[in-house]
Amino acid sequence: AIQMTQSPSSLSASVGDRVTITCRTSQGIGNDLGWYQQKPGKAPKLLIYAVSSLQSGVPSRFSGSGSGTDFTLTISSLQPEDFATYFCLQDYIYPRTFGQGTKVEIK
Amino acid sequence: EVQLLESGGGLVQPGGSLRLSCAASGFTFSSYAMNWVRQAPGKGLEWVSAISGSAGSTYYADSVKGRFTVSRDNSKNTLFLQMNSLRAEDTALYYCAKGGDYNSVPDFWGQGTLVTVSA
Repeated sequence: AIQMTQSPSSLSASVGDRVTITCRTSQGIGNDLGWYQQKPGKAPKLLIYAVSSLQSGVPSRFSGSGSGTDFTLTISSLQPEDFATYFCLQDYIYPRTFGQGTKVEIK
Repeated sequence: EVQLLESGGGLVQPGGSLRLSCAASGFTFSSYAMNWVRQAPGKGLEWVSAISGSAGSTYYADSVKGRFTVSRDNSKNTLFLQMNSLRAEDTALYYCAKGGDYNSVPDFWGQGTLVTVSA
């Protein structure tokens, strides 16, 4: 199975900050990676698919980049509603695998 | 509007069985792969299983292979997960999730059904 290493596991940031979360895979996965946001008690919400494609309805402050084995989710200007946990997911091969999650907290 | 409604969760003893269902609406169900993903209390997400739109292909995490069976009834727009030989470590909120276009990552999730395995 492809191993996913997501970092950091948590971070503290202020409204307006630029936030970067990374996901490293144990082998190349082409562009088969997505990013999700999850708030407490809620289902995950898709933000980014195919590494850099913005899901419909998701604010443009969210962006994804990367290639090969290193991928990044960037929030250009953190908003109050962005405090949540973020996960990456590879859909290159089965079994699918998630990153461990990054909790974004208010500084 | 896409809707996914899971049901069938509950409390079961170790070694027992449960069958989860996921009723789908708002999209052409048979055209999309479907997934089950679980989340243990306070933990991250774990992909469990997937099934192709035609039900011709099924996939499982190693942790559930041989114990869980995924299936679907396209005439009733319903996804199932038969869970046998349940263990304490299967305790989790189980989500069904619709596959994305062109077999991309799941793009819509239900609200989940809670499975608790305990004596």
